[in-house]
Amino acid sequence: DQQVKQNSPSLSVQEGRISILNCDYTNSMFDYFLWYKKYPAEGPTFLISISSIKDKNEDGRFTVFLNKSAKHLSLHIVPSQPGDSAVYFCAASALFTGGGNKLTFGTGTQLKVEL
Amino acid sequence: DTGVSQDPRHKITKRGQNVTFRCDPISEHNRLYWYRQTLGQGPEFLTYFQNEAQLEKSRLLSDRFSAERPKGSFSTLEIQRTEQGDSAMYLCASRLGQEDSPLHFGNGTRLTVT
Repeated sequence: DQQVKQNSPSLSVQEGRISILNCDYTNSMFDYFLWYKKYPAEGPTFLISISSIKDKNEDGRFTVFLNKSAKHLSLHIVPSQPGDSAVYFCAASALFTGGGNKLTFGTGTQLKVEL
Repeated sequence: DTGVSQDPRHKITKRGQNVTFRCDPISEHNRLYWYRQTLGQGPEFLTYFQNEAQLEKSRLLSDRFSAERPKGSFSTLEIQRTEQGDSAMYLCASRLGQEDSPLHFGNGTRLTVT
C-alpha cells in the first residue's frame, strides 16, 4: 500500500528552465510534507517542507505547492542547475495528530538537469 | 554540526551471520531514527528513539532486528541470522525535539548478504 506516490521515476530538464516534481498521497491524516534530495552514496538531505495550513512555501529557488483537496504536492525548482541533478523524495507525516515521528516516503524521481 | 555518522559504510556478510551497525547522531538531537532503503524504493521507517527510550517500532522490524540507544547518544542496530532479503541500505537520522524539525540523515550502511 503505497501511501505516497511519485509516478515519474525520472525527469530531464534543460539548465535554466523550471523543474516540476510531483507527488500524490492517499492518507488523509497526512498534514506535513517534506522534500529531500539524494545524491549517490549519500543520505537524503532536507530541502523544504510545508504544513497543511499552507498551500505554498518558498525557499530561494525551491517552492513547494500543496493542493489538499487533490492530495497532491509539487516541488518547483527555478532556475534549474546541473547541481540539482539528484533523486528527489517526497515524504509525509501525520505531524499534528501525533504521527510526526514516522515519515512515509515516495519512491523518488531522478532529476537530470542538462547543459 | 558534524552531521550524522554511520559505521561501517559497507558490510558484506554471509547468510546466517549477525551484523551490527552504529549511528552517531548530531550531538544536540535527542531523537534518533532508523530507516531501511532498498533499490528503487524510498526509505522505510524501522524504529525511533527519544533519548534512550525506543518509542516506536515498525512491523518491518522482525524479531531478528534489535536496536538500542543505551545512553541516549549513539545507537546500534543488530540483525541476527541475516537473510538475503535483509540486503539494503540502512539509514540513521536524527532531529531536534521540536515536532516540525526535519530529519538529518547519515550516509547509511549498505548491507549485502550473500
